[in-house]
Amino acid sequence: NAGVTQTPKFRILKIGQSMTLQCTQDMNHNYMYWYRQDPGMGLKLIYYSVGAGITDKGEVPNGYNVSRSTTEDFPLRLELAAPSQTSVYFCASSPQGANEKLFFGSGTQLSVL
Amino acid sequence: TQLLEQSPQFLSIQEGENLTVYCNSSSVFSSLQWYRQEPGEGPVLLVTVVTGGEVKKLKRLTFQFGDARKDSSLHITAAQPGDTGLYLCAGARASGTYKYIFGTGTRLKVLA
Repeated sequence: NAGVTQTPKFRILKIGQSMTLQCTQDMNHNYMYWYRQDPGMGLKLIYYSVGAGITDKGEVPNGYNVSRSTTEDFPLRLELAAPSQTSVYFCASSPQGANEKLFFGSGTQLSVL
Repeated sequence: TQLLEQSPQFLSIQEGENLTVYCNSSSVFSSLQWYRQEPGEGPVLLVTVVTGGEVKKLKRLTFQFGDARKDSSLHITAAQPGDTGLYLCAGARASGTYKYIFGTGTRLKVLA
């Protein structure tokens, strides 16, 4: 059972470039989340989804877009990358939502230079 | 504005000492979770508390949810080097949405 899989693990972007961070889960979870974690800090919610076709903004959505066409996949799109987006990005999923355990991927370390 | 504030931000203690980490907010949460994160990995769930005043124990770790469901604490008895890591609290708002908001984090280092 792979759980939550994120790709790539590392990426360096130039300012203004775009990229998509991939996240897929094989647990048939309805809820999926994208967080970013700056060095030594807690996690900030970027976007979340409660099911296929439904997404909503979190605490820091500016500069990002998401889609949820299937239950399994929840890609995060960065348009016009900026140095402020240098961070570690974590995708997570949970069966329902409130009171449920979040299952995290291993993260994508992104540097924008 | 950070919804969940953790204190202390950093803590370095000797093996065998006790410690308490606090997670505070002005908002009410339907549930609160504690995670531990090690370098290069995603956070791993330690416990979920859902009832005001609830106390849960996990070996040497004791978790408490405040009566008003606005705060929580994590107490570690006789800390060991294996307890080293970043401790994060996360709350699900009582408004009915399922957004988990994480705290600012407490980085713990236990010296042998």
